[in-house]
Amino acid sequence: QVQLQQSGPGLVKPSQTLSLTCAISGDSVSSNSGAWNWIRQSPSRGLEWLGRTYYRSKWYNDYAVSVKSRITINPDTSKNQFSLQLNSVTPEDTAVYYCSRSTANNFDYWGQGTLVTVSS
Amino acid sequence: DIQMTQSPSSLSASVGDRVTITCRASQYISSYLNWYQEKPGKAPKLLIYAASSLQSGVPSRFSGSGSGTDFTLTISSLQPEDFATYYCQQIYSTPLTFGGGTKVEIK
Repeated sequence: QVQLQQSGPGLVKPSQTLSLTCAISGDSVSSNSGAWNWIRQSPSRGLEWLGRTYYRSKWYNDYAVSVKSRITINPDTSKNQFSLQLNSVTPEDTAVYYCSRSTANNFDYWGQGTLVTVSS
Repeated sequence: DIQMTQSPSSLSASVGDRVTITCRASQYISSYLNWYQEKPGKAPKLLIYAASSLQSGVPSRFSGSGSGTDFTLTISSLQPEDFATYYCQQIYSTPLTFGGGTKVEIK
């Protein structure tokens, strides 16, 4: 059974960096069949896919255009986890953030969600 | 980006009712369409993948159909635990976009 455990602060100041981590159990971040995604949800933007990292003989990343200049998703093979960094946040980035595994682009396992509020 | 439009945005139904939710893509996506159920305070749950395949463990009262640009999620006999918000998602191309959701409420 795959489990994803999210961690990270729930409050970030404007212009600073939002950082979240998703620890994986029951699968490997280096899996050749899975991808590791970050999604967020807010009343104004609904569900928004932010990006993913995946390994297919080498590491790849895909990012949503809306955040591409500000986002980094990194795998950490030593800890079997992956992370989200979103720079220069504004109140518009306030949302519930989820990590999720996808296989064949089917998002079958999700983290518990983290409410991140951007406020001074 | 591919835009996903769901209708209705909300509906009221009774236990035992047949419920149909539609999702339209702004361009051709073949059968690359998933459906998710979301309950308050919980992460979305995958119900249907590839437009019509039932995810393991999901009750058979849920079904999906469609291809191309028009898709449907049907709940054949609504149960109390089905009151939730449902989202479609296209997985044809990145960014992997979601519909705006359909909230199913108790009549």
